[in-house]
Amino acid sequence: EDKVVQSPLSLVVHEGDTVTLNCSYEVTNFRSLLWYKQEKKAPTFLFMLTSSGIEKKSGRLSSILDKKELFSILNITATQTGDSAVYLCAGFNSGTYKYIFGTGTRLKVLA
Amino acid sequence: GAVVSQHPSWVICKSGTSVKIECRSLDFQATTMFWYRQFPKQSLMLMATSNEGSKATYEQGVEKDKFLINHASLTLSTLTVTSAHPEDSSFYICSAKRRDSSNEKLFFGSGTQLSVL
Repeated sequence: EDKVVQSPLSLVVHEGDTVTLNCSYEVTNFRSLLWYKQEKKAPTFLFMLTSSGIEKKSGRLSSILDKKELFSILNITATQTGDSAVYLCAGFNSGTYKYIFGTGTRLKVLA
Repeated sequence: GAVVSQHPSWVICKSGTSVKIECRSLDFQATTMFWYRQFPKQSLMLMATSNEGSKATYEQGVEKDKFLINHASLTLSTLTVTSAHPEDSSFYICSAKRRDSSNEKLFFGSGTQLSVL
C-alpha cells in the first residue's frame, strides 16, 4: 500500500530560524513529489519534484528529492511568522493516477 | 491562472438533509477532479476521483450512494452529501488537474466546512 510519512509532525521555531521538513515515501509507479502549504483552507502549491538531486528554489524555500532513498526535504530559511502553516507533501502514483498525501508538518513561527 | 473555485465555503444543515458542494475550474479545463475530506489536524483523505463524462471512482470505505459525485463538464464537478448526519461534519476540499498539462500539479479549491446539526 502506498504511503507518505512526514516528520516532524509539528515544529515551533523563532523568526529567523531555518527549518527542514522531511517527507519519505513508498509509492508504486512513483512519478513526482509535490509540496503544498496549507494555512487555513486551500493548500497552495509550492514545488513539484521529479528528478533526484535537483534543488528547486523559491525565495526562502527550497526543496530536493532523493529517488534512491525515497525522500524529499523542504527547507525554509530565515523563517517569518507568515510561514506558519501546515506543510503537506504528496507522492503521485502514475499507475493509479492518485496523489498520496502525508499527514503534514504543522509549523509555528514565533515572533 | 489555474484557479479552482469551491462553493459554498461553509454550510450548516440539519440532520437528514442533503448538501451539494460545487467545484469549478475557472480558467482551465480539468480532466480529473479529486474530492478529499480532512478532519482537524489530519491530512487529506481521498474520497473519490471524478473524470468528466464517466462515473466517479470511490475509495474503499466511501459510500457512493451517500457521497454522490457528478462531473458533468470539464470545468464542474459536484459532491452531494445525501441524508447528512453529524458524523459527516468535516472539511471537504476538491482539487483539479489540468487537461492541457502533462505534469501532476494539482490545484485546490478553498474547501467547504460542513457542520451537520
